Amino acid sequence: QPVLTQSSSASASLGSSVKLTCTLSSGHSSYIIAWHQQQPGKAPRYLMKLEGNGSYNKGSGVPDRFSGSSSGADRYLTISDLQSEDEADYYCETWDSNPWVFGGGTKLTVL
Amino acid sequence: EVQLVQSGAEVKKPGESLKISCKGFGYSFTSCWIAWVRQMPGKGLEWMGIIYPGDSDTRYSPSFQGQVTISADKSISTAYLQWSSLRASDTAMYYCARHLGDGFDYWGQGTLVTVSS
Repeated sequence: QPVLTQSSSASASLGSSVKLTCTLSSGHSSYIIAWHQQQPGKAPRYLMKLEGNGSYNKGSGVPDRFSGSSSGADRYLTISDLQSEDEADYYCETWDSNPWVFGGGTKLTVL
Repeated sequence: EVQLVQSGAEVKKPGESLKISCKGFGYSFTSCWIAWVRQMPGKGLEWMGIIYPGDSDTRYSPSFQGQVTISADKSISTAYLQWSSLRASDTAMYYCARHLGDGFDYWGQGTLVTVSS
């Protein structure tokens, strides 16, 4: 089954950009993933589906500041022009017929 | 508008049973998978299991197989997560989420379950 690896934390300054990484385990580098944002005290929110070729489709209402890209087994979420409300936990997700899998999450701090 | 609306917070004692719910609005309930996801205090998201209400095909994470039961009543567009005997370690926030093939694209608001003597 696939395993997703994320850094536990990241930080960047207000107005700057940050690139978060989700790495698929060996043998699963072609898998599609999804990115989710969880603001403090809130339910997760779907951001986008991201394919191995870098193509992505965002969820309804997701700002243009959020984009995705891929390289090999790595899947990236880039947030531009960081805002205070972007301070949140970010999770990647992937799926097979069974199971569905989440990464451990990255806590993003906006300085 | 697609919405998943979950039942309210619960406080239970160890050994008690519980069934929480997730009602879908604004889409064809029988055409999408519905998953349950656990989030323990201060921790990450854990996939527990998933059901396809159209034919009741149900799959469980090995970590939760035998510990919980997932079901659905398509006549009222509602999925359920139940325990027969709760433990203190079941204290967590539980989310339902819809999966249509592009990831969990809609989430419920969460149900907080507290198990304490």
